[in-house]
Amino acid sequence: AQSVTQPDIHITVSEGASLELRCNYSYGATPYLFWYVQSPGQGLQLLLKYFSGDTLVQGIKGFEAEFKRSQSSFNLRKPSVHWSDAAEYFCAVAYSRGAGNKLTFGGGTRVLVKP
Amino acid sequence: KAGVTQTPRYLIKTRGQQVTLSCSPISGHRSVSWYQQTPGQGLQFLFEYFSETQRNKGNFPGRFSGRQFSNSRSEMNVSTLELGDSALYLCASSLTQGGIYEQYFGPGTRLTVT
Repeated sequence: AQSVTQPDIHITVSEGASLELRCNYSYGATPYLFWYVQSPGQGLQLLLKYFSGDTLVQGIKGFEAEFKRSQSSFNLRKPSVHWSDAAEYFCAVAYSRGAGNKLTFGGGTRVLVKP
Repeated sequence: KAGVTQTPRYLIKTRGQQVTLSCSPISGHRSVSWYQQTPGQGLQFLFEYFSETQRNKGNFPGRFSGRQFSNSRSEMNVSTLELGDSALYLCASSLTQGGIYEQYFGPGTRLTVT
C-alpha cells in the first residue's frame, strides 16, 4: 500500500532562517505530489504540486520543492522563514490517473518560528 | 471565485445519533472528496464523488456514507455516532475530468461526539 512519511513531527526555526521539510513516499509508479499547509483551526491550503517535468517546482508564499525520484523524496524548502509560516505542513500523494482523486497524506510537520 | 464552503462549522452530537455535513464546491468543480482528520490517525480519505457517483472509497465502516447532487454539492452522513468519530471533517473540490488535479479544501466541520 502507498504511504507517505514525514520524518519530522516538529521543527523549530528562527525567523529569517531557512526551512526544509522532508517527505518520502513509497510506490513504484510516478506519483503526483503535493504540499499543503494548515493554520490552526483552518482547512488545508495548497502550496505547490508536482505532476511531471521540471523537478524543482515553485509554489506560493516563497516555497519550493524538489522531486527526487532516486530518493523517493519531495522536500519542501523556503530560504527565509517569516513568523506567519508557523503552521502544520502536510505532504500528500496521488497515484492513479483515471481512478479518482484519492490523496494519501503524511503525518504532518508542525513548524514553530522563533522571533 | 468563492472557495469551498462547509456547513456547519461546529457540531456537537451524542453517541448513537446521526449527523449530516454539507459541502459546496468551488463553482465549476465536479469532484468532491471527504477526509477525516484526527490527532491519532491524521488525515484519512473517506470517499470521492464525481458527477453524482461515488468514484473512490476509503477504509471506513458503512456508517459513513455520502452523496452528491446534480449541482455538485455533497453531503456526508455518519450514523450511530461513536466517540471515535470526533474529528475535523474536510471537504475538497477539484476540476477533475478523470485525471488527477489539485484539490482545494474547505475550512472543515469540527464534530464532537459526547
